[in-house]
Amino acid sequence: DTGVSQNPRHKITKRGQNVTFRCDPISEHNRLYWYRQTLGQGPEFLTYFQNEAQLEKSRLLSDRFSAERPKGSFSTLEIQRTEQGDSAMYLCASSTHRENSGNTIYFGEGSWLTVV
Amino acid sequence: SQQGEEDPQALSIQEGENATMNCSYKTSINNLQWYRQNSGRGLVHLILIRSNEREKHSGRLRVTLDTSKKSSSLLITASRAADTASYFCATNDYKLSFGAGTTVTVRA
Repeated sequence: DTGVSQNPRHKITKRGQNVTFRCDPISEHNRLYWYRQTLGQGPEFLTYFQNEAQLEKSRLLSDRFSAERPKGSFSTLEIQRTEQGDSAMYLCASSTHRENSGNTIYFGEGSWLTVV
Repeated sequence: SQQGEEDPQALSIQEGENATMNCSYKTSINNLQWYRQNSGRGLVHLILIRSNEREKHSGRLRVTLDTSKKSSSLLITASRAADTASYFCATNDYKLSFGAGTTVTVRA
């Protein structure tokens, strides 16, 4: 399977605990995105990387959230001191970047987080 | 901010019928993409239409784009039960901005 891979697929954690999600993008893709999606809503942009550089962070990404892409390949999204409001599906996506061209963005299957 | 807004919010059709959903957006775009999402799963890319294109086909899918009206439509012809899903449009500058989607139910 050469698609975007995310794990774990499901995580149940107690409020206050830290959780980390991993994303392995399509190998030749230099851009990597994180989105969050709650029930009945479309995905909301959190942050994106071009290679190892984090180029933008949404205001949704509070100080408890941190994302890294240390070698420009896989990425991790860590949520510290989880709150019930963090319960959502966290989607990773990747794409190549071409100037002045449409860049198809491919999504993984998502990581479901339930904070109890 | 949410750029793409889909209409209707929900659509129920009989197998074999066509399904049409619309998307409106607010600002200039380079391209617009349509995605499908089955319940609890990730998003599957369906089609990308560039701002200089007016219509695009892919199998049973037909997408139109009217940049003067800032709108797009997705037509699924001869629907199947497997088409039951939520459909999202998203505009792309360097990231995607999604609406809440159209939930399509195809009845057997």
